[in-house]
Parts: sequence; structure tokens; C-alpha cells
Amino acid sequence: NAGVTQTPKFQVLKTGQSMTLQCAQDMNHNSMYWYRQDPGMGLRLIYYSASEGTTDKGEVPNGYNVSRLNKREFSLRLESAAPSQTSVYFCASRASAAGGGDEQYFGPGTRLTVT
Amino acid sequence: SQKIEQNSEALNIQEGKTATLTCNYTNYSPAYLQWYRQDPGRGPVFLLLIRENEKEKRKERLKVTFDTTLKQSLFHITASQPADSATYLCALDGNNAGNMLTFGGGTRLMVKP
Repeated sequence: NAGVTQTPKFQVLKTGQSMTLQCAQDMNHNSMYWYRQDPGMGLRLIYYSASEGTTDKGEVPNGYNVSRLNKREFSLRLESAAPSQTSVYFCASRASAAGGGDEQYFGPGTRLTVT
Repeated sequence: SQKIEQNSEALNIQEGKTATLTCNYTNYSPAYLQWYRQDPGRGPVFLLLIRENEKEKRKERLKVTFDTTLKQSLFHITASQPADSATYLCALDGNNAGNMLTFGGGTRLMVKP
């Protein structure tokens, strides 16, 4: 099993450009998540999908959109990138759809720089 | 809103000693508390989960305690090794509508030989 995969690994954008970060998991997990990690800020939840067909906002959703394409894939889109979106983005998944109590599996991250 | 705090300063200890990391939280009653390890340039990796009705959980050299009255978890690494050097994150879990984890900012542990 590859676990959670993310593409691309690195990306540089100019202000105003758009891009989509891709995430896929091969563990048949129900819930998937997008986080950003900035120095001194820890992991902050952008959007999540507790099950196929549902998506919800997390702590910092502004400037982002998501699509749960199917059970495996959960993409994050930046419509008009801003320098404040320079960060490391992590995708994660977990087996449960509700109630918690199981671990999250993380991808390797995407390092995004917006100039 | 819920708040979770970990010591943002790095913890430096000597090899062979026990490292103790603290996680405090407010405005939340998690059903579980999780600990993750993160190495530079990598995603977090799960270490341990403890339930609200458990006082202590052990796995090899790792021990986690969970005090729901104090709203605190302690994470111990005994006989620490330089390979234990990493950032350790705690996360609140359960009792929320979105099946989400709320992460603390992490504590960087440096084990010196």
C-alpha cells in the first residue's frame, strides 16, 4: 500500500495564479483532511470530508475549495493564490467516518510558495 | 473555542534520560487524545492514542498519561536516544461533529549524545 500520496511535492506560484493539490489514499478510508502547517502555528485544518460526498470547512477555509472526487481522492484548490497561502500542505485520512478513536495517516506534504 | 497548548520551546535532554512533554487543553472534553511524531520535511506519524477513561498507556519506551480533571496529557520517552529527536504533536479527538483532530503546536525534542 502506498498510504496517502500527494502531488506535487513542491510548487511556486505567482500571486493570482490558481492550482490544485491532489491527494489520494489506498486504504479505503472514509474521512479525509487538508491541513496547512506554518512555523509556530502547528497544523490548522482547512477543509475535511467525513465521508464520500460530504465536505465541510475547518478552521482556515478562506481562499480554498475542495472536492471529494470519490472515496480515494480529495483535492484542494487555490483559485487565486496569495502570499499568505505560502505554507506546507498536508493531506490526511482516517478509517472512521464519525466518533474518532483511530489514527490519522498523513501524506508527505506539498511545499507551496506564492511570490 | 477549544485551545490546546504544548511547550513551544525546544526540550533538550541528555541521552539515556527520560523526556517528558506536556499537552494542556481548555474548552473541550475529548473522548481520546493522540500523540504524533514529526520529523523535518515529513508528515506526522501516529504514536499512541489514549481514551478518556484510561489513566495511562504504554508502548515500548513510550508512556502517555491522560488527566481529564486537569485537562492535561503527559508524554514520556524513557531511555531517550538521539534518534528520538523530533517534534511531538498532541491532538484532541472525539466528541465533535466533524470527526476532526485538533492539534497542538508541537514540542521539539533534542536528545544529545
